[in-house]
Amino acid sequence: EAGVTQFPSHSVIEKGQTVTLRCDPISGHDNLYWYRRVMGKEIKFLLHFVKESKQDESGMPNNRFLAERTGGTYSTLKVQPAELEDSGVYFCASSQDGRVLSEQFFGPGTRLTVL
Amino acid sequence: EDQVTQSPEALRLQEGESSSLNCSYTVSGLRGLFWYRQDPGKGPEFLFTLYSAGEEKEKERLKATLTKKESFLHITAPKPEDSATYLCAVRLNSGGYQKVTFGTGTKLQVIP
Repeated sequence: EAGVTQFPSHSVIEKGQTVTLRCDPISGHDNLYWYRRVMGKEIKFLLHFVKESKQDESGMPNNRFLAERTGGTYSTLKVQPAELEDSGVYFCASSQDGRVLSEQFFGPGTRLTVL
Repeated sequence: EDQVTQSPEALRLQEGESSSLNCSYTVSGLRGLFWYRQDPGKGPEFLFTLYSAGEEKEKERLKATLTKKESFLHITAPKPEDSATYLCAVRLNSGGYQKVTFGTGTKLQVIP
């Protein structure tokens, strides 16, 4: 069974540019999460999708970040325009059921560097 | 404010030298505590979930325990391949759905 995949693995962009990160969850997992780890800090929750609906987006830093999950399959996280403080590793995770106590499976992450 | 604190930040052990990692938490509505292992360039890999105080889980050289205020990850006779960053995370009840808060991790290095 394929795990959670993320693309690209690395992205280097200049301040003010736009970047789109993609996450493909494990097949059949309705719950999809985005997290971010900035250097030296803990992994922080960004948002949670249940199928195509945003269940909780309380962790999104500001309106420069837009997450979508059309059709309830893969998800994209767009940063527009990117700022220096957006640099970090963006992780995606998926789980079968968000309400029962099921573990989340993480992707390898996308390392974003904003120059 | 919900908080998860891990200690030490880094730990260097000789192969075979047992030790423990600590995760203390100050949260309300705890719905489970996770331990993850993270290797460089990879995402966190699930190890254990603990749900209630007094619970213990084991996997090979690792044993996780939980009290009302903290969790320990005991590593018995570690090997170099156990070198990784170990992350603790707590799951909170957020409107009926899970929300996970992570600690900053303990970077473990096991020397042959």
